[in-house]
Amino acid sequence: DAGITQSPRHKVTETGTPVTLRCHQTENHRYMYWYRQDPGHGLRLIHYSYGVKDTDKGEVSDGYSVSRSKTEDFLLTLESATSSQTSVYFCAISEGDSNTEAFFGQGTRLTVV
Amino acid sequence: DAKTTQPTSMDCAEGRAANLPCNHSTISGNEYVYWYRQIHSQGPQYIIHGLKNNETNEMASLIITEDRKSSTLILPHATLRDTAVYYCIVRVAYYNQGGKLIFGQGTELSVKP
Repeated sequence: DAGITQSPRHKVTETGTPVTLRCHQTENHRYMYWYRQDPGHGLRLIHYSYGVKDTDKGEVSDGYSVSRSKTEDFLLTLESATSSQTSVYFCAISEGDSNTEAFFGQGTRLTVV
Repeated sequence: DAKTTQPTSMDCAEGRAANLPCNHSTISGNEYVYWYRQIHSQGPQYIIHGLKNNETNEMASLIITEDRKSSTLILPHATLRDTAVYYCIVRVAYYNQGGKLIFGQGTELSVKP
């Protein structure tokens, strides 16, 4: 399995509090992605990174920010968590362009109460 | 972004071939077709990908029509462990985006004894 670690794996937080999820890779891959998955839905792209300090928005970026200060870590921050952000969050990494597979982490289950 | 259309669900008898169809009529010439699967709530698992030629690996075969508007994923001898949601994805290739994976709803495959 690709070296991707998401932390924490489970978290319960209160509405209005900030939350940071971490994705750590040991593969030295250039591209990193954050997705969310809600019941009955496929994965939706939140943000992605194409290099250190290079990030961009995905389909559902409102309410989220990201940072990538080094190749191996991609952080997803919910500035003020809301109940609609209760979801399972997946990180993915990819070495290169569209001809190389992306690998996914095991997910972080976040509950906002 | 090219979209894909898949049946919502399919059944397959254990030991038989599972043929999962996907339509991607708006695919562009440099976009790849990827297949992933997700078992329960685990992270998506890469299966196979291709551009225009048929591809085979240890998990599956991918048949892409000559006009590239549709494809079929074939699991040659389905087992109960192949029960999962299967996603057909057209991988977008924009500069510096590392080929975003845009997920659809997928096909829920049930392999029955």
